[in-house]
Amino acid sequence: DAKTTQPPSMDCAEGRAANLPCNHSTISGNEYVYWYRQIHSQGPQYIIHGLKNNETNEMASLIITEDRKSSTLILPHATLRDTAVYYCIVRSPNNAGNMLTFGGGTRLMVKP
Amino acid sequence: DAGVTQSPTHLIKTRGQQVTLRCSPKSGHDTVSWYQQALGQGPQFIFQYYEEEERQRGNFPDRFSGHQFPNYSSELNVNALLLGDSALYLCASSSLGVSYNEQFFGPGTRLTVL
Repeated sequence: DAKTTQPPSMDCAEGRAANLPCNHSTISGNEYVYWYRQIHSQGPQYIIHGLKNNETNEMASLIITEDRKSSTLILPHATLRDTAVYYCIVRSPNNAGNMLTFGGGTRLMVKP
Repeated sequence: DAGVTQSPTHLIKTRGQQVTLRCSPKSGHDTVSWYQQALGQGPQFIFQYYEEEERQRGNFPDRFSGHQFPNYSSELNVNALLLGDSALYLCASSSLGVSYNEQFFGPGTRLTVL
C-alpha cells in the first residue's frame, strides 16, 4: 500500500469548513483512499473512501485530484465534536487481509 | 446492534506476566483484526483472524498470539510482558466477503505494564 503524508495538526473555527489534505504521490491505479478519525480514547471510526471520483456522505466529502496524487477531506460545518485525529490511508483491493496501515494522522482542533 | 465490544477496558500487569484480551465482532462480521496503539502514535496492525485461522500478520514477535472461536469472537494473548507492551489494544471487525468494506473498531483495552 502507498504511503501517505499529512500535516501533524490543524485548527478550525466551529461552524466553518475543515479541509484536511493528504498527499499520496505513489498511489497505484487500483488503490483506494480511505479516511478514518479517532476521537480521544475511542477506536478509529470510518469516514469515507474513494478511488478517483469525488465522494460525499453524511459525514464528509472526499475530493481526489485528477492525477490521484493527493486528496482533501472536507467537513462542511465543523463542530467541537469533530475534534479528533484524522488518518488518511491508501489501501489496495489486493490487500487480502484488509489490514490498515496508519500513519501519524492530522490532529484537528475545532475551536469555539 | 452492539457493535464491536472489547474486554476488559483497562488492565494493569507487571513485567513477565501474561495477558489475554477479548473481542466480540459486530453482528454479521466474520473477520477480526488486532492493532496496537502506543501513546501518540497511529495503530499498528498485529494480525487478523478469519475462519479460526491467522490470515495475515504484522511485524510483531511470537509473544503475541491469538485465537478465533466458532462464534467469530477472538482473543489476543501476550506472553512475557515488557514495559513497551503498554498500549491501547484495538480490535476491528469486518466481513471478508464484502469488497472495500470498512473496518469497525472497538473502544480498545488500555494495557499498562509496570
